[in-house]
Amino acid sequence: KQEVTQIPAALSVPEGENLVLNCSFTDSAIYNLQWFRQDPGKGLTSLLLIQSSQREQTSGRLNASLDKSSGRSTLYIAASQPGDSATYLCAGGAMAGKSTFGDGTTLTVKP
Amino acid sequence: DTGVSQDPRHKITKRGQNVTFRCDPISEHNRLYWYRQTLGQGPEFLTYFQNEAQLEKSRLLSDRFSAERPKGSFSTLEIQRTEQGDSAMYLCASSPVPGTGYTFGSGTRLTVV
Repeated sequence: KQEVTQIPAALSVPEGENLVLNCSFTDSAIYNLQWFRQDPGKGLTSLLLIQSSQREQTSGRLNASLDKSSGRSTLYIAASQPGDSATYLCAGGAMAGKSTFGDGTTLTVKP
Repeated sequence: DTGVSQDPRHKITKRGQNVTFRCDPISEHNRLYWYRQTLGQGPEFLTYFQNEAQLEKSRLLSDRFSAERPKGSFSTLEIQRTEQGDSAMYLCASSPVPGTGYTFGSGTRLTVV
């Protein structure tokens, strides 16, 4: 059974700082790894999807990496802004399509 | 294409009542998923459909829960005899094929009083 862990549960940084969010998973037979952003009371917005054959994906100030052998993924946010404040969730996807989510890291970027 | 739509956005119901939620996926997406999320937790898988076929159902889903996707288009999730423990955000997601990542709707927030 896939288990996904995100540490820390909360992170506070000053504006402009570069930061890394961590995601660990137990089953290396992962099919893909997807990072989401969730604002309070809202649904999930997809940020990046990494297929199992890929090592990383980039979109703007975001870069996500995947290391299946170590069971880890990271989300790197460059030059953080107050608008980046949200909860960030990672999800490990199985080939059949079902995904297992971590509990998220709540990021606060202070002006 | 307006993305994944969920209705209603919020639902307050009394314990013991039945509730039904609707999800309209992106039109060309064959896969449709239901998840449940409680405060401070990540979404938990409930069930998913490939077109109109329900392929998997979580053990979290008691027999009070039922989901349908008639004609492989929109889906409904019904909860019978609601309990306070059913209070959560119910999220729907769709994808074109397995393994291509999800697009989520805005969710339905259920409060059972």
